[in-house]
Amino acid sequence: DAKTTQPPSMDCAEGRAANLPCNHSTISGNEYVYWYRQIHSQGPQYIIHGLKNNETNEMASLIITEDRKSSTLILPHATLRDTAVYYCIVRVAGGNQGGKLIFGQGTELSVKP
Amino acid sequence: GAVVSQHPSRVICKSGTSVKIECRSLDFQATTMFWYRQFPKQSLMLMATSNEGSKATYEQGVEKDKFLINHASLTLSTLTVTSAHPEDSSFYICSARDGQAAGELFFGEGSRLTVL
Repeated sequence: DAKTTQPPSMDCAEGRAANLPCNHSTISGNEYVYWYRQIHSQGPQYIIHGLKNNETNEMASLIITEDRKSSTLILPHATLRDTAVYYCIVRVAGGNQGGKLIFGQGTELSVKP
Repeated sequence: GAVVSQHPSRVICKSGTSVKIECRSLDFQATTMFWYRQFPKQSLMLMATSNEGSKATYEQGVEKDKFLINHASLTLSTLTVTSAHPEDSSFYICSARDGQAAGELFFGEGSRLTVL
């Protein structure tokens, strides 16, 4: 079973920040938080991941609470092409010990003009 | 980022036939590959984990004799749906783990199977 919970859907206005929450209250100390997204009829696309510090890359920012029980993915300036299902996943990372990805239901983000 | 390619992207077959889907890592060696299935409006469901040179590990409820997985090289894994039926129609997606880098997972574009 997936170890995360996310709202099933969210709307966001084009150009505004999209903030997608995720709860992972049972996360283990060696598990990372990963975010992927899936645009209709395509394979999932990696966005970002983190352990306990906040992370930022060219696509998004990841804010992880101090107790690591929840996180928020931030798309700073959402565009229509960001419309997708966003999945938050916890997983052991790294080398041969990296674990499989178990997908929950994700959040369907609709970016509207 | 690393590239994972699936072939074919779409396949239509008659009930009772077998269909093979290939998953290739194009610019890295994949020690482990994962196969997922996705029905319309649903999330991805992990079917099995394949390690190069060894037997695949199937998730509970997935029939290993129906979904044959072969991971004969570090760049290729195949999924064969044997004696396909209409209920096997689905979107099949593979992912591969780069054994040399940080072990991150990269996904293929998916293969849509329609069984008539």
